[in-house]
Amino acid sequence: DAGVTQSPTHLIKTRGQQVTLRCSPKSGHDTVSWYQQALGQGPQFIFQYYEEEERQRGNFPDRFSGHQFPNYSSELNVNALLLGDSALYLCASSTAGLETQYFGPGTRLLVL
Amino acid sequence: AQSVTQLGSHVSVSEGALVLLRCNYSSSVPPYLFWYVQYPNQGLQLLLKYTTGATLVKGINGFEAEFKKSETSFHLTKPSAHMSDAAEYFCAVTPDFYGGSQGNLIFGKGTKLSVKP
Repeated sequence: DAGVTQSPTHLIKTRGQQVTLRCSPKSGHDTVSWYQQALGQGPQFIFQYYEEEERQRGNFPDRFSGHQFPNYSSELNVNALLLGDSALYLCASSTAGLETQYFGPGTRLLVL
Repeated sequence: AQSVTQLGSHVSVSEGALVLLRCNYSSSVPPYLFWYVQYPNQGLQLLLKYTTGATLVKGINGFEAEFKKSETSFHLTKPSAHMSDAAEYFCAVTPDFYGGSQGNLIFGKGTKLSVKP
């Protein structure tokens, strides 16, 4: 049983560009959450998707957007990249009504 | 606002010694509490969780944690450290879940555990 998978593993972009990160949830999970982990910090919640809709959102600007597909996979899009967007982006999946989230290995984004 | 405080950004123990990683939380509703471990260049792995019921929770790799409501604490312990325990440990709370919604996780800043031979 595959766990949560994310692609790509690493990405380098320049300021002002746009990026798309992808996540496939653990089998049987229907909820996907995204987190940003800056160097030396704990993960911070970006948003959560359930039934193809954004259900909750953390304190992140509108440059951060997402999407969930009918197969429950998800994308995170970041527009107009800033140097401060450099971080490890983690995807977590869970089942609606259950509290435990399972994390993928992350995508490390470097903005130059 | 809900928050998590992990005391000590770095903890160093000798192999075979007791591991104690501290976590205090603030939450206006009964929380669900978690400990995750992160090995270098990897994602987060769930160690253990407290939802309801028994306040002493056992997890993987010999770790356990005790929920103490009066102290708003959820400290992580392991009786005997192993070299393979060297990693970063994160305490997290899901305060919103109690209301029936699928809550987001609020993490502490993490504690890096080093194990000396």
